[in-house]
Amino acid sequence: KQEVTQIPAALSVPEGENLVLNCSFTDSAIYNLQWFRQDPGKGLTSLLLIQSSQREQTSGRLNASLDKSSGRSTLYIAASQPGDSATYLCAVRGAGGTSYGKLTFGQGTILTVHP
Amino acid sequence: DTEVTQTPKHLVMGMTNKKSLKCEQHMGHRAMYWYKQKAKKPPELMFVYSYEKLSINESVPSRFSPECPNSSLLNLHLHALQPEDSALYLCASSQTLLSSGNTIYFGEGSWLTVV
Repeated sequence: KQEVTQIPAALSVPEGENLVLNCSFTDSAIYNLQWFRQDPGKGLTSLLLIQSSQREQTSGRLNASLDKSSGRSTLYIAASQPGDSATYLCAVRGAGGTSYGKLTFGQGTILTVHP
Repeated sequence: DTEVTQTPKHLVMGMTNKKSLKCEQHMGHRAMYWYKQKAKKPPELMFVYSYEKLSINESVPSRFSPECPNSSLLNLHLHALQPEDSALYLCASSQTLLSSGNTIYFGEGSWLTVV
């Protein structure tokens, strides 16, 4: 069964800092990995999707990398802003076994960026 | 337009009531999902429909009954729920179920309280 772990569970940084969120998964048989943000009481907003054959994706101040063989992904946020404060969730879509086709989430990283 | 629309946003129901949650997307997506999210936890998969057919049921109790009337609509029928079923119910969609390039889009969710 696929398991996804995110480190750290919470992170508080001053505005302007560059930061890295980590995600690891136990089964490398995946279709893709997706990063989401969730604001309190809201749905999930897709940030970046990395296909299993790709190494990284970039969108604005966000850069996500994927090392499928080692089961790791990182989300890099440059020049953080208070508006980046949210919970960041990593999810992998399984390509085999009991996780076939399913999106499995990590527990999330709660990010607070203070002015 | 990458919008998944869920109604109602909030629902309070008694344990003997019958109610439904509705989800709609007009992106031409052929895979639709129901997730349940408890406070401070990641979303948990309940059901997946692919081309209007139920593909995945994560052993969800029968008091939850999904329905996919057409490719744009997804319903979740609720009957005889328990207070522990109170949660945020999220609908999502993607172009297809099994493709590495498919981003999954989430709605804002329906907050359900069972009294």
